[in-house]
Amino acid sequence: NAGVTQTPKFRILKIGQSMTLQCAQDMNHNYMYWYRQDPGMGLKLIYYSVGAGITDKGEVPNGYNVSRSTTEDFPLRLELAAPSQTSVYFCASSYSQGRTGNTIYFGEGSWLTVV
Amino acid sequence: QKEVEQNSGPLSVPEGAIASLNCTYSDRGSQSFFWYRQYSGKSPELIMSIYSNGDKEDGRFTAQLNKASQYVSLLIRDSQPSDSATYLCAVIGDSSYKLIFGSGTRLLVRP
Repeated sequence: NAGVTQTPKFRILKIGQSMTLQCAQDMNHNYMYWYRQDPGMGLKLIYYSVGAGITDKGEVPNGYNVSRSTTEDFPLRLELAAPSQTSVYFCASSYSQGRTGNTIYFGEGSWLTVV
Repeated sequence: QKEVEQNSGPLSVPEGAIASLNCTYSDRGSQSFFWYRQYSGKSPELIMSIYSNGDKEDGRFTAQLNKASQYVSLLIRDSQPSDSATYLCAVIGDSSYKLIFGSGTRLLVRP
């Protein structure tokens, strides 16, 4: 009963380092998302994907890259980490974006600190 | 103008009272509306979804949608201390696959 799995859960990066946040779902969902949540704030959409091979920018894509080579996996890449990227990152997935039956399942989050 | 706006709170209500949480959105063509609950340090969990004008009830929760006013609300009846959390409003626009969140309203239920 895995659902949406994110790794790592916690990570400290130095400025300028690169890393990849991993996200995998086992529900055969077409839609996957990456959000970031700064302290006391709502979730901001970074990137999303409507299926394998298709990705698109969200509200705050700068400084990030994604790929979607399989239905299951949607990794988020930080190329040159900056302190402004210190945040909690949530991966999510859903079966469809139709008007109904649109439950979005979230992973448990990845806490990233850039120092 | 933010796409989805909420009062950040905190909204403080006594145990057993009705808590009323409000949200406005800017995309008039939006079709799908959601309320998520988020406890500190946890991921959001879906409470309610609503797609048509009017009220939708589920247990102690009622979602209300008014598309003409671009307004969606969540009522929590018989509020319990365990309802204390941040409530996030989220909207999917008419021509977008993006689920956009408001900044959330923090609810405190006093015993």
